[in-house]
Amino acid sequence: EVQLVESGGGLVQPGRSLRLSCTSSGFTFGAYAMSWFRQAPGKALEWVGFMRNKAYGETTEYAASVKGRFTISRDDSKSIAYLQMNSLKTEDTAVYYCTRGFYNFTYWGQGTLVTVSS
Amino acid sequence: QSALTQPPSASGSPGQSVTISCTGTSSDVGGYNYVSWYQQHPGKAPKFLIYDVSMRPSGVPDRFSGSKSGNTASLTVSGLQAEDEADYYCSAYAGGDSVVFGGGTKLTVL
Repeated sequence: EVQLVESGGGLVQPGRSLRLSCTSSGFTFGAYAMSWFRQAPGKALEWVGFMRNKAYGETTEYAASVKGRFTISRDDSKSIAYLQMNSLKTEDTAVYYCTRGFYNFTYWGQGTLVTVSS
Repeated sequence: QSALTQPPSASGSPGQSVTISCTGTSSDVGGYNYVSWYQQHPGKAPKFLIYDVSMRPSGVPDRFSGSKSGNTASLTVSGLQAEDEADYYCSAYAGGDSVVFGGGTKLTVL
């Protein structure tokens, strides 16, 4: 059974950093791209970015709203994807989801809440 | 503003059919047969519903169907049931390393 579990969310002050983890199981992690989405309270899903797998050069792509502040990485040996979030803003407050895939997002985690507030 | 345009809301009575549209451009929806749909109930993670325009993953009821005409993709829910009340999002591959998403449609079962 495929499982994705996000962790690392919490309350953080504006300007600070936070790193989210997405621990995966039930599939060959290294064979897939991994993506991150977020959803602010009462708002629509927003694509954050993705990272291709090693076979495709582990290239990354980000939404304009987070480019230069957020970084996606992966550790295939541990089946974990990461989302490093720097220079956080209040508008980054959201539930963050990791998902398997690049344009077909087949499996999703349950999400982790990030609250940016002073 | 989302790259793909969806109506904010849709509704239907139990047993009826409802269609949700997703309009893009010739660079995304119209350019590739890589449109997918997702269902999200309140407080829950999204669920993969349709891929490659009209394909259903295993376990998704055949009441859900997808189609595409030109730059507009559509999701049809037939035989509406109470549990179909949810938000629905479309997504489309836009070439290279680009994917675009819709703003979501809230489906209400009357």
